[in-house]
Amino acid sequence: GQNIDQPTEMTATEGAIVQINCTYQTSGFNGLFWYQQHAGEAPTFLSYNVLDGLEEKGRFSSFLSRSKGYSYLLLKELQMKDSASYLCAARDSNYQLIWGAGTKLIIKP
Amino acid sequence: IAGITQAPTSQILAAGRRMTLRCTQDMRHNAMYWYRQDLGLGLRLIHYSNTAGTTGKGEVPDGYSVSRANTDDFPLTLASAVPSQTSVYFCASSEGASNQPQHFGDGTRLSIL
Repeated sequence: GQNIDQPTEMTATEGAIVQINCTYQTSGFNGLFWYQQHAGEAPTFLSYNVLDGLEEKGRFSSFLSRSKGYSYLLLKELQMKDSASYLCAARDSNYQLIWGAGTKLIIKP
Repeated sequence: IAGITQAPTSQILAAGRRMTLRCTQDMRHNAMYWYRQDLGLGLRLIHYSNTAGTTGKGEVPDGYSVSRANTDDFPLTLASAVPSQTSVYFCASSEGASNQPQHFGDGTRLSIL
């Protein structure tokens, strides 16, 4: 079957760095997406990886290892507004997204 | 402002009633999707459409139907609502290419009593 695993909840301190891990098992692979979702709002796109390695976008970076079926989202210089759920999604051979349940990130002052 | 509009924002519905959730996008995206999001679960695909005139079933299609008469609109219909269909429903669209992200509407919060 197809499956995405990510931690349910993480806590970090304002100004610190946090890494949110995601492992995936899909029938075929056509890219890995990360989305941010604030409570009561729609998911918004953060990053996309299809090749191995690190993609950096300001305070956010995303890493992919296709051989390990593994990705992580790295958030630097955490701000209170980064408190949200972070969703990992892998695109399968049919180009459909398989979604993880999300990681709720709590930022403490 | 370009984007996806969903209506209604929220709705309380009696079991057995018929309900249509509306979704309209003005980005001229080819692909559109309907998801439901339930606590503790990932987004689950209900139905999708890769282009106007075509639709496909997702992971949880039972009890739902869709149509795609034109590029902009992708309504989702619950023929006879049941309490297990209580959820938050998101409509999304994308250009269709594999590296293009999906863009989401603000969601419809639906409660079936």
